[in-house]
Amino acid sequence: SYVLTQPPSVSVAPGKTARITCGGNNIGSKSVHWYQQKPGQAPVVVIYYDNDRPSGIPERFSGSNSGNTATLTISRVDAGDEADYYCQVWDSTSVFGGGTKLTVL
Amino acid sequence: EVQLVESGGGLVRPGRSLRLSCAASGFNFDAYAMHWVRQAPGKGLEWVSGISWNSGNIDYADSVKGRCTISRDNAKNSLYLQLNSLRAEDTALYYCAKSSTLDSDRGDFDYWGQGSLVTVSS
Repeated sequence: SYVLTQPPSVSVAPGKTARITCGGNNIGSKSVHWYQQKPGQAPVVVIYYDNDRPSGIPERFSGSNSGNTATLTISRVDAGDEADYYCQVWDSTSVFGGGTKLTVL
Repeated sequence: EVQLVESGGGLVRPGRSLRLSCAASGFNFDAYAMHWVRQAPGKGLEWVSGISWNSGNIDYADSVKGRCTISRDNAKNSLYLQLNSLRAEDTALYYCAKSSTLDSDRGDFDYWGQGSLVTVSS
């Protein structure tokens, strides 16, 4: 079965740029979706189809996908971005990455 | 406003069954695939099952295949998940999620409910 690998944690200072990776075999050939989940809340999609942003998601959120790695980039990080982030793809069935906890220092 | 409200969770003994429901509103329910995604306490997201707009295509995760049945009633704007032969490892918060497409094998999950907690314990 297809496996998506995310770093368990990423830390970043306020105002800096956070990059969260999602590794998978030839993931560049798939569409990647990213979800943000804050404690006690349901997940929210922040990037879909590699680099599209839903309405209401700040332009600070962007995505890229090539080769074996997809990346979620959050620019000018603030405390409100602290959350768990999950990547997701379809490979006959849906697959989620293990999640990355973003900590704002 | 899109709303997804799950119900039917609770404490259940191992080996027993449970039926989860999801009441949908605020969108054309019969035009989108729907999914169940679960999250064990302190763990990540796990896709459980999906059903296309017309129930023509249904898929399950290997972890529940043979023990689980997804269904929908478009006339009632409702999604269901029948869980049988429950195990301790099925303990999780079960989310109902709307697909952005009518097919059950593509797209993102653009709206989520708040979840229904299923606890399997003796």
